[in-house]
Amino acid sequence: QLQMQESGPGLVKPSETLSLTCTVSGGSISSPSYYWGWIRQPPGRGLEWIGSIYYSGSTYYNPSLKSRVTISVDTYRNQFSLKLASVTAADTAVYYCARDEDIAAPGTALDLWGRGTLVTVSS
Amino acid sequence: QSALTQPPSVSGSPGQSVTISCTGTSTDVGSYNRVSWYQQPPGTAPKLIIYDVGNRPSGVPDRFSGSKSANTASLTISGLQAEDEADYYCSSYTSTSTPVVFGGGTKLTVL
Repeated sequence: QLQMQESGPGLVKPSETLSLTCTVSGGSISSPSYYWGWIRQPPGRGLEWIGSIYYSGSTYYNPSLKSRVTISVDTYRNQFSLKLASVTAADTAVYYCARDEDIAAPGTALDLWGRGTLVTVSS
Repeated sequence: QSALTQPPSVSGSPGQSVTISCTGTSTDVGSYNRVSWYQQPPGTAPKLIIYDVGNRPSGVPDRFSGSKSANTASLTISGLQAEDEADYYCSSYTSTSTPVVFGGGTKLTVL
């Protein structure tokens, strides 16, 4: 059974870079059938798709975050990562990684999710 | 403000049916059948329960069904159970600058 686990600092200072990694177990991140995505949820609010990456490195990003976001993949470690630069308090959220099953429309069918990790932006 | 509009809350008694609406525009729900629904019980990660308007992933009970008419998609839950109490989110492919948009979420209360 494929599982996904987010990891990274739970506290980031304003203006710094948020860095998270998603480790995939029980399956290969190099499967041609999936993208791999990041989604966030501010406390008490709704979901926001951040972006998705294919094992080849092809990426799609939310335009509202594109200037600050980098998503990368490490097929050898079966991991993919998120970097969000110049963070502010508005970036405080639970960050989820997820398997993205519609490769023709990334972000539209996120069929397996990690448990999420809360990242707080504060000095 | 979310791109897709959902009612903030709905409620129903055990055994009843409830329907949650998700209203978009001709650039998303109205033009594409890539509408998904997610269930998020308190304190947990979202779970995909409907994709491509009306398809259920393996393991999702057939009490959950999805449909679409014009710019509005709907999730119907029949035979309500206490365990259905959760937040529900819709999403849709969109032809605008971002490939996917979410609704603001609907809190389902089982009375």
